Amino acid sequence: EVQLVQSGAEVKKPGESLKISCKGSGYSFTSYWIGWVRQMPGKGLEWMGIIYPGDSDTRYSPSFQGQVTISADKSISTAYLQWSSLKASDTAMYYCARLGIEGGPRNWFDPWGQGTLVTVSS
Amino acid sequence: EIVLTQSPGTLSLSPGERATLSCRASQSVSSSYLAWYQQKPGQAPRLLIYGASSRATGIPDRFSGSGSGTDFTLTISRLEPEDFAVYYCQQYGSSPTFGQGTKVEIK
Repeated sequence: EVQLVQSGAEVKKPGESLKISCKGSGYSFTSYWIGWVRQMPGKGLEWMGIIYPGDSDTRYSPSFQGQVTISADKSISTAYLQWSSLKASDTAMYYCARLGIEGGPRNWFDPWGQGTLVTVSS
Repeated sequence: EIVLTQSPGTLSLSPGERATLSCRASQSVSSSYLAWYQQKPGQAPRLLIYGASSRATGIPDRFSGSGSGTDFTLTISRLEPEDFAVYYCQQYGSSPTFGQGTKVEIK
């Protein structure tokens, strides 16, 4: 069974750094793009970016370029989303999701992780 | 960036009724790179439809997708109690985006 398991909820202060994780299992981790989606409280889904763990090719949404860093460690089948300096406006649920078919970056998300809630508050 | 506009914002229907959800793109979506997702409260989204009209594995056939170019539709032929949720469309072309969602609520 293909599974994505995300790290637990985080509570941070503005200005702090953070790295959350997403561990894939049940498939060839290096053969599928994996991405991140933000959902702010009570709001819709926002596509943040994707990474191909095979060669670390990374694509960002213009809205998130420079605001976050997406990375992956293929030796432990884990993708990451990190911030160097959090803001209160980063408070949201963050989902990782694998792209549906091998190889190309232009496809749908399936399956999804369970989500990681990030709360940034002083 | 392609902007996806979903309508209506909220759809109030009874179990057994037909639901028709619209997703309109600000420019043509190449190669029907259009997906639909369902999200229930407290849960991650779930893929329903990809390629505008192909059902994902395990999705009941009461869900169907259609459309091309700039106009796409998700139809739920007969609403079951578990179908009341929020539905999002997504285009996954060169710079993917999501629509703002349509909530299907019990009337």
